[in-house]
Amino acid sequence: DAGVIQSPRHEVTEMGQEVTLRCKPISGHDYLFWYRQTMMRGLELLIYFNNNVPIDDSGMPEDRFSAKMPNASFSTLKIQPSEPRDSAVYFCASTMDRVANEQFFGPGTRLTVL
Amino acid sequence: KQEVTQIPAALSVPEGENLVLNCSFTDSAIYNLQWFRQDPGKGLTSLLLIQSSQREQTSGRLNASLDKSSGRSTLYIAASQPGDSATYLCAVRPKTSYDKVIFGPGTSLSVIP
Repeated sequence: DAGVIQSPRHEVTEMGQEVTLRCKPISGHDYLFWYRQTMMRGLELLIYFNNNVPIDDSGMPEDRFSAKMPNASFSTLKIQPSEPRDSAVYFCASTMDRVANEQFFGPGTRLTVL
Repeated sequence: KQEVTQIPAALSVPEGENLVLNCSFTDSAIYNLQWFRQDPGKGLTSLLLIQSSQREQTSGRLNASLDKSSGRSTLYIAASQPGDSATYLCAVRPKTSYDKVIFGPGTSLSVIP
């Protein structure tokens, strides 16, 4: 398996623009997680899905953030409108099931909002 | 609320030295603890996963221990190599929120040739 795939790897945009980050989990993994990593706050869970259904979005910072998982092989994290404080590395991770529960991370998307 | 801390924040050692990284958590009610490695500009790679019923796990030169009652875990790296230079993060899975892993801030390790 190719592992968790994220795109783009780097995104530079201007404040106010819409940003869409994409993730393809490992095939067969039922859980998908979106994290944000910054120097100040470390790694934070934003939202996670189980079988394509959002389970907990309490980590989503504001209404400007939204996430979808239309099918088992694809998820998006959207920021609209983006702000400079959204600059961070965004990771997607997946895990097979609750018993195994070892998380596998994608390479991340480094977002810079000017 | 579960909190995870890691000490030291940064560590620099000469090649060949054995070293220990520390992880502490405030609530002992956990399902498991996982150690990750993160290279600069890269994602996290899982190193070891210790279930709450286990005391340690080993993989190659790495050994992770878990003392749930005291809220501590250590990652032991034997005969360190420059290629071990990375940031090491621990993460706990609390019983209060099974699906939500809590990460520590990480220890940045530099192994000097």
